[in-house]
Amino acid sequence: EDKVVQSPLSLVVHEGDTVTLNCSYEVTNFRSLLWYKQEKKAPTFLFMLTSSGIEKKSGRLSSILDKKELFSILNITATQTGDSAVYLCAAPRGGFGNEKLTFGTGTRLTIIP
Amino acid sequence: GAVVSQHPSWVICKSGTSVKIECRSLDFQATTMFWYRQFPKQSLMLMATSNEGSKATYEQGVEKDKFLINHASLTLSTLTVTSAHPEDSSFYICSASPSTDTQYFGPGTRLTVL
Repeated sequence: EDKVVQSPLSLVVHEGDTVTLNCSYEVTNFRSLLWYKQEKKAPTFLFMLTSSGIEKKSGRLSSILDKKELFSILNITATQTGDSAVYLCAAPRGGFGNEKLTFGTGTRLTIIP
Repeated sequence: GAVVSQHPSWVICKSGTSVKIECRSLDFQATTMFWYRQFPKQSLMLMATSNEGSKATYEQGVEKDKFLINHASLTLSTLTVTSAHPEDSSFYICSASPSTDTQYFGPGTRLTVL
């Protein structure tokens, strides 16, 4: 059974700190890993990672995948209160063309002003 | 970017009634859409895969006669919760994929059954 595990489950830091969120996975026929940010509504897409060792960056957020160790990290530098959200990682199940996503339980990040 | 809309954004209904939720891809066509359910402080759980022009496929444990899915066109899928009960109260989210592996989510529908 495919599995996506995130840690920590929750994290509280002060504004300006840097945080690292973890996602490990066991997925048959792995091909990509996705990161989403969920505030009060539905998740918004952040990154899709397919290749090991290549960092993807968007502003203060960056993410990298390690296909050998089966994990990914999401880094947020100089955190702001607007970064408070649940961060989800997900992986498509099965082989090519199967778009069903298995989600991790999420990391709830709280930024204290 | 790709936009997915849902309607209504929230609904309150009496126990025993049916509720229909619409999911639309606004600027792309989606032969496949997905319906998720999210309970408070839990992650998204896939309920079913909605296929345009054919029957939906349901995840294990999801009652297909209770959660009716119709994918009428390449831009519209509907989820009808039939004979809703309080335990069906949840946040229902649809998603659609304009390309391989990337999914965009609708804003969600919060259903409260009294």
